[in-house]
Amino acid sequence: QVQLVQSGAEVKKPGSSVKVSCKASGGSFSSDAITWVRQAPGQGLEWVGRIIPLLGISNYAQKLQGRVTITADKSTSTAHMELTSLTSEDTAVYYCASPYCSGTYCYYDSFDIWGQGTMVTVSS
Amino acid sequence: QSVLTQPPSVSAAPGQKVIISCSGSSSNIGNNYVSWYHQLPGTAPKLLIYDNNKRPSGIPDRFSGSRSGTSATLGITGLQTGDEADYYCETWDTSLSAVIFGGGTKLTVL
Repeated sequence: QVQLVQSGAEVKKPGSSVKVSCKASGGSFSSDAITWVRQAPGQGLEWVGRIIPLLGISNYAQKLQGRVTITADKSTSTAHMELTSLTSEDTAVYYCASPYCSGTYCYYDSFDIWGQGTMVTVSS
Repeated sequence: QSVLTQPPSVSAAPGQKVIISCSGSSSNIGNNYVSWYHQLPGTAPKLLIYDNNKRPSGIPDRFSGSRSGTSATLGITGLQTGDEADYYCETWDTSLSAVIFGGGTKLTVL
């Protein structure tokens, strides 16, 4: 069973950038797709964006457009999410997730395997 | 304010049944499949339902999902104290070209 292992917690200054990694352990990205979701303290889930290299697709949440970049390196089974121009509103736990696949068909908008989460704190 | 509307909280006694609703529009639930997750404090969400009404392996049949028009529901029967968690609906929104989540529903098993 593939697991997603994320990099450790980060503390950043306002205006700086953060790059969070997500590595598939015990296999590779079975669907070649990774989605990022964040959750501010005490709040609900918020989609950040996704990459589906097999389909040549990357989508980002409108409110984060221009500040977020998601990349995936199949050779190392590692995905990254970089967020720039950080503000206190970006303080959240960031999760990577991969879609549910049944046989060779993947439901790209249903997320089955999740990373453990990475806490990003933006504070002066 | 979430595009998908869920009740903030629901509650029921152990052994009883509860239904959590998720209301959307034609640009999301009306034309795209719905997934449901539950999340225990301090942990990552867990997929309960995909493709409106299908359960991944390992999810008991106490959990069921349905979709009708622009709304979806999650049903949980035989409630257990371990079911206390936050529950989220989720789908793709064609107009926004984005994945959207409901605001979440906190389930309390009294």
